[in-house]
Parts: sequence; structure tokens; C-alpha cells
Amino acid sequence: GAVVSQHPSWVICKSGTSVKIECRSLDFQATTMFWYRQFPKQSLMLMATSNEGSKATYEQGVEKDKFLINHASLTLSTLTVTSAHPEDSSFYICSARVLADNVYNEQFFGPGTRLTVL
Amino acid sequence: GQNIDQPTEMTATEGAIVQINCTYQTSGFNGLFWYQQHAGEAPTFLSYNVLDGLEEKGRFSSFLSRSKGYSYLLLKELQMKDSASYLCAVDDSNYQLIWGAGTKLIIKP
Repeated sequence: GAVVSQHPSWVICKSGTSVKIECRSLDFQATTMFWYRQFPKQSLMLMATSNEGSKATYEQGVEKDKFLINHASLTLSTLTVTSAHPEDSSFYICSARVLADNVYNEQFFGPGTRLTVL
Repeated sequence: GQNIDQPTEMTATEGAIVQINCTYQTSGFNGLFWYQQHAGEAPTFLSYNVLDGLEEKGRFSSFLSRSKGYSYLLLKELQMKDSASYLCAVDDSNYQLIWGAGTKLIIKP
């Protein structure tokens, strides 16, 4: 159980285009979903936290107008990188966790999406 | 501020034992997690500690001392496939996960 999927697993796009990444919890309802970015040989960097039906909370330095997050249901969150540029090329990873008995269990990670902007 | 410290890199020999330490200073504590991340892949969950003591799971064990703000991950009978980064993360009082920078573990034959 506790599987999180991401689609696409990799994408190559031209500079200036927008890219949408989907994150789904397949066998559980996620109270909260997270979006991370990871550059080569660096640690995970949290971009934003989203709760179903409410606006995402962005970390400092992350442009909310550039990285649009929609969390329309308890099983789906999307990240749209608008007007992508080469510096946005990175490994984007989503994760989900659920509140059970007033305790959050571990975050379950999707397999990641590798974005390359030409 | 909130801070999690772990060594940047460690090297160990196949078949040996290695201990990866993690110290934390956070606003509140609701549990500590260890994740494994292979290069180019997403992290996978290894262990969770919320009470003091040792949690054992196969070749991997994790220890927590809340009074010292300290945890370690112990890996026994090291295998080449254990070469990866190991991430320590702490849930603060708001259940926000604070991540360490990760420890890159290199296993040599």
C-alpha cells in the first residue's frame, strides 16, 4: 500500500513553454501533498505544501506565479511550471502523507519527474 | 532557527557496520525519520522514531535520544547496494518535516 505515482517520469520542453506534472496517491487519501525540487548532487528542497481544497503554502524564494500548484482532490495534486527556462531543469518529486489518529505518518514519495528545458 | 546536522559523506567497507549520526534543533518534536535515496531516484522510507530507544528492522536500526536531540542510523552487513544518500528528517511542532542535507554513503569492496 501507500503508493504515489507521478506523471510524466521525464519531460523535455522548449524554453518558454509550460509543463504540468501530476502526482497521485493510488491507494490512500492524502491529507497533504508536498512538492520538492532537487538539483544534481544536492539535497531535497521543499517548494510548497498543499492541502486539498486550499491554496498551497510556498517556501521562501519559490515563485508561486511560476510554479502553480492545484490540489483538487485527496488523491491528486498538480504542479505546473509556467514559462519554463533552462534554470528550471531539475528533478521534481512529490510526496504525500495522511493524518491518522492525529499523527502524521511518513511521507510517501513519488518516483520523481526529470524536467529538461532546452 | 531549525537545524539538522549530519555528515556530508562517509565511506565504509562491504560487510562492515556503519553509523550515520544526526543531530537536530527544532521548534518542537513529533518524530524523526530516516530515508534512503539512490542517485536519480526518489527517497524511500527506512525508519521512524518518536520515543527514545532503538528501533530495529533487519540490517537497519535507528536510535533516538530526544533529550540530546540526537539520532543515528546503523547499517549492518553492508552491501554494495547500500551505497546511497541517507536523509534525516524531523517533524516539528506543526508536523512540518525539516530535512537534513543528507549523508552520502560510499561502500567499497
